[in-house]
Amino acid sequence: GESVGLHLPTLSVQEGDNSIINCAYSNSASDYFIWYKQESGKGPQFIIDIRSNMDKRQGQRVTVLLNKTVKHLSLQIAATQPGDSAVYFCAETYSSASKIIFGSGTRLSIRP
Amino acid sequence: EAGVAQSPRYKIIEKRQSVAFWCNPISGHATLYWYQQILGQGPKLLIQFQNNGVVDDSQLPKDRFSAERLKGVDSTLKIQPAKLEDSAVYLCASSPMRGRAYNEQFFGPGTRLTVL
Repeated sequence: GESVGLHLPTLSVQEGDNSIINCAYSNSASDYFIWYKQESGKGPQFIIDIRSNMDKRQGQRVTVLLNKTVKHLSLQIAATQPGDSAVYFCAETYSSASKIIFGSGTRLSIRP
Repeated sequence: EAGVAQSPRYKIIEKRQSVAFWCNPISGHATLYWYQQILGQGPKLLIQFQNNGVVDDSQLPKDRFSAERLKGVDSTLKIQPAKLEDSAVYLCASSPMRGRAYNEQFFGPGTRLTVL
């Protein structure tokens, strides 16, 4: 029979509010953690990354937090805009490899 | 800078038919990747090329999938014969060798394959 993809977790946020997207990772050896944004009909687009020896990194309207104790990663988007509507993926890699492992995605939808 | 180009954007075939996808990476990018993205999931690496050599094809179902990167530039991914579970978006990505901490990947728009 036809295979069915997993149901994506969805986060619904009021326009102008802050969004927090969470991700759990499994590989303690990963050196870098990356957030990607994927809009409908497009490939993933790099947003921000963080090295494993850091716990916070800020970009333009985005902040990534890393908690290695509980293997948790989060992406915070300030003042969420309609253009932020997309699926967000966390990913991990280590510096000696060129392979990036994608985690589960979260669909962010914006309420007007 | 032009991005990663892929064609076709959409393809519908019946099971047991063959299909091929094409990718043109960003100029000068030595590394090229093919990913399979099933609906609702993150991309899964199928094969990675460094110039025209294969670096990693451990996740490629070699009984039906094949890929090549002649002359270290364009690449094609082929499925023969296709199965229903091959329905997915096939993403191509490329990466420069800039000496960064890790290889930042740039993705194309993907080819959406539907197998009926």
